[in-house]
Amino acid sequence: QKEVEQNSGPLSVPEGAIASLNCTYSDRVSQSFFWYRQYSGKSPELIMSIYSNGDKEDGRFTAQLNKASQYVSLLIRDSQPSDSATYLCAVNTGFQKLVFGTGTRLLVSP
Amino acid sequence: DAEITQSPRHKITETGRQVTLACHQTWNHNNMFWYRQDLGHGLRLIHYSYGVHDTNKGEVSDGYSVSRSNTEDLPLTLESAASSQTSVYFCATRDSPNTEAFFGQGTRLTVV
Repeated sequence: QKEVEQNSGPLSVPEGAIASLNCTYSDRVSQSFFWYRQYSGKSPELIMSIYSNGDKEDGRFTAQLNKASQYVSLLIRDSQPSDSATYLCAVNTGFQKLVFGTGTRLLVSP
Repeated sequence: DAEITQSPRHKITETGRQVTLACHQTWNHNNMFWYRQDLGHGLRLIHYSYGVHDTNKGEVSDGYSVSRSNTEDLPLTLESAASSQTSVYFCATRDSPNTEAFFGQGTRLTVV
């Protein structure tokens, strides 16, 4: 079982819709979780971090964490074509390693 | 502004040669990581360090080594480059174990 799993996509949504990206992790003692966005040919950039169960909102982005289900999600409201990118879920494992999922490619069509 | 600088940005090398990729950070972060990114595999951890003279193996460490002689630098060495090591390499740093990581621009390495 991979430590962090994501659906590779692509996830296709129309402009203005809500995009929902999901991630599961295997290490029950993980305490910190991150979502990164990566444009083609560029390095990953942080979008959100979340540490506690529940929702965390930042502009059009909402991160959701459920530690009991070992599940993290990212919602993007009012999706824009400029949101088209690969979204990487990262989890800080019990050994303090930062482990990434394979990423979900998001395509937002005008 | 603090930054992470990777060099070179692009490199082509021959099979069997030793190659060193540089990572220099001015964040003064203790934690440093090296990842490789390949299609279908995402970012895979090669080696990481929590401070000077500390190094640890990641999930794909075979054929790679690192050393940490100061806070700012974590060079990644491919002892004998193989075609399977053709990839994009990213260096990342963070302040403490539970905080976010920041990435360098990446190095595209081609082994022919």
